[in-house]
Parts: sequence; structure tokens; C-alpha cells
Amino acid sequence: DAGVTQSPTHLIKTRGQHVTLRCSPISGHKSVSWYQQVLGQGPQFIFQYYEKEERGRGNFPDRFSARQFPNYSSELNVNALLLGDSALYLCASSRQSSYNEQFFGPGTRLTVL
Amino acid sequence: AQKITQTQPGMFVQEKEAVTLDCTYDTSDQSYGLFWYKQPSSGEMIFLIYQGSYDEQNATEGRYSLNFQKARKSANLVISASQLGDSAMYFCAMREGRDGGATNKLIFGTGTLLAVQP
Repeated sequence: DAGVTQSPTHLIKTRGQHVTLRCSPISGHKSVSWYQQVLGQGPQFIFQYYEKEERGRGNFPDRFSARQFPNYSSELNVNALLLGDSALYLCASSRQSSYNEQFFGPGTRLTVL
Repeated sequence: AQKITQTQPGMFVQEKEAVTLDCTYDTSDQSYGLFWYKQPSSGEMIFLIYQGSYDEQNATEGRYSLNFQKARKSANLVISASQLGDSAMYFCAMREGRDGGATNKLIFGTGTLLAVQP
């Protein structure tokens, strides 16, 4: 079975632009979570979606939004990009809303110039 | 507030030796889960081991074991017989609430960079 996939792998944007990151969970997994990992730090929780509903939101500004589609894939959108948004964005999937194992994708590395 | 503390920014270990990576946590919840993840330079987070707060025995997964001391709020990872491929960043994380709860939000520590020397 394929693992969690994310696209694109790398992205370069300029300040003020908008970006959309995509995630496909493992087959059969209904929960998708997004994390931001700034260089030198641990990942920080942004959002969790389960069965297309938001189940959790981290301490991020409204410029960050997400959604989950009927096939359980997900998009993370970031508007009005700032230099500080440069980070590795990780997607994780799990079978249920709260489950022992979350499986992470390879991440999307976003650079904002 | 919930918090994970990893006080070792970096560790060295000789190949085939055992190494302990420290993790302490802070939570007011009685039910929670503790995780360790490995992050190689490629960036992907690899799940290693899980310990539930009500689990009486320490978790083990192959060469990985979790030394869970609830009263001290510590959840140290022990890697036995280190291999060169174990060189990576290691993160301790906590999820509050029982399995089947509303969310699986993880709170991560700052990580420990492990270097295995031949």
C-alpha cells in the first residue's frame, strides 16, 4: 500500500503570494493532520480534519486554512505569505480521529522570498 | 499547558552500543499518549514507539524501548545495539486524551540529533 503522499515536494514563493499544498492519506485512513516544522524546531500542529470536518486547530493566523475532500485527501492553503512561513509542511494520516499511530508524508518544503 | 522537553540537543553513540534519549512531559490530563518519531535528513517523520498513560508495562518495538516513569513524567527512548542508520533527529511527542477521543493533535519537543559513530 502507498504511504502518505504530498505535493509538491518543494515550492518557492514570494511574500504576499498564496500557496496550496496537497496531501493524500493512506488508503482507509479518514483523518488528516497538518503540521508546520520550522528549521531547528519540532513540528507544530496546524489543523486536523476527520470525515471532512475540522477536529482541531492550532495557534495559527486566519491566513491558514484547510479542507478535506470526499476521498479524504486534503489541501492546506496559506494566503499573504510571509517570510516566516518558510518551513517544512508535514501531513499525517490515521485511521480514526484519535489513534495510536499517525503516519507522516515526506513533507513539502516551502521557501518564501 | 502541555509541554514536551528534550534537553539533549545532540548525542553521540558508538555503533553497537545502547543510547538513551531523554524526554519529560507536562500535562494535567490523566489520559494521554506518548510517542517517539525519527526524522532522517530526508524530512519524513517515522513512527517508532507508543506508550499509553495507563499502560502498565513499558512499550518495546524491536531495538526500541520506552522507559516510562509516570511519577517523574518522563518517557525516555532507549535504542539498543545502535546502527549507523540510526543517525537522525529524534522527536518525543504527546497526545492528550484516550484513543477514540476528539483529536489526535501531537505536541512535539525540540528534538535530539543522534550521531552513531563507527
